[in-house]
Amino acid sequence: TQLLEQSPQFLSIQEGENLTVYCNSSSVFSSLQWYRQEPGEGPVLLVTVVTGGEVKKLKRLTFQFGDARKDSSLHITAAQPGDTGLYLCAGVTGNQFYFGTGTSLTVIP
Amino acid sequence: KAGVTQTPRYLIKTRGQQVTLSCSPISGHRSVSWYQQTPGQGLQFLFEYFSETQRNKGNFPGRFSGRQFSNSRSEMNVSTLELGDSALYLCASSLGAGYTEAFFGQGTRLTVV
Repeated sequence: TQLLEQSPQFLSIQEGENLTVYCNSSSVFSSLQWYRQEPGEGPVLLVTVVTGGEVKKLKRLTFQFGDARKDSSLHITAAQPGDTGLYLCAGVTGNQFYFGTGTSLTVIP
Repeated sequence: KAGVTQTPRYLIKTRGQQVTLSCSPISGHRSVSWYQQTPGQGLQFLFEYFSETQRNKGNFPGRFSGRQFSNSRSEMNVSTLELGDSALYLCASSLGAGYTEAFFGQGTRLTVV
């Protein structure tokens, strides 16, 4: 059962543009994580958000956890070709991870 | 320190055969989880092992099984392979016991023909 829906599923933008990826669920999670996966590699953890309403920044990436801890967003400012990859959100409950459907981002130079 | 190691990286099998995949977690990590990744279904949870015990299980048929050894290395077995089992199989390790940061291996690309 897929508990987390990400949108958009695919995104192709020009270098320098801004973008936002959304991760939505009807379930409450104790924390939410974002991963980036490049072709031929496993996902790599970018950030973990724990508190409802929490905002974390990682250079040009801004992550927000919804107040009700059911949804999250990832905003990228001035996207670069190196940002290209599959972005996955994962809700964590107990010791189990529930992964989102993924957003495939392509940044065109 | 060394990351998560999965072997083999690529595998081609025939329908009806069985396959065993291996995962060596980061030293000191006691939790190993397995996932199946396909373009249509995304990342699907198979099972998680902690200290040699299966702690969580996803919604996969009994053809998918796993085990964990005393050194935390884990194996996943798929019997009676079907074409639909073609996927990237990912293993993730973590400290377990409340630690939720997972470190993924590069995966094993299984193709069933």
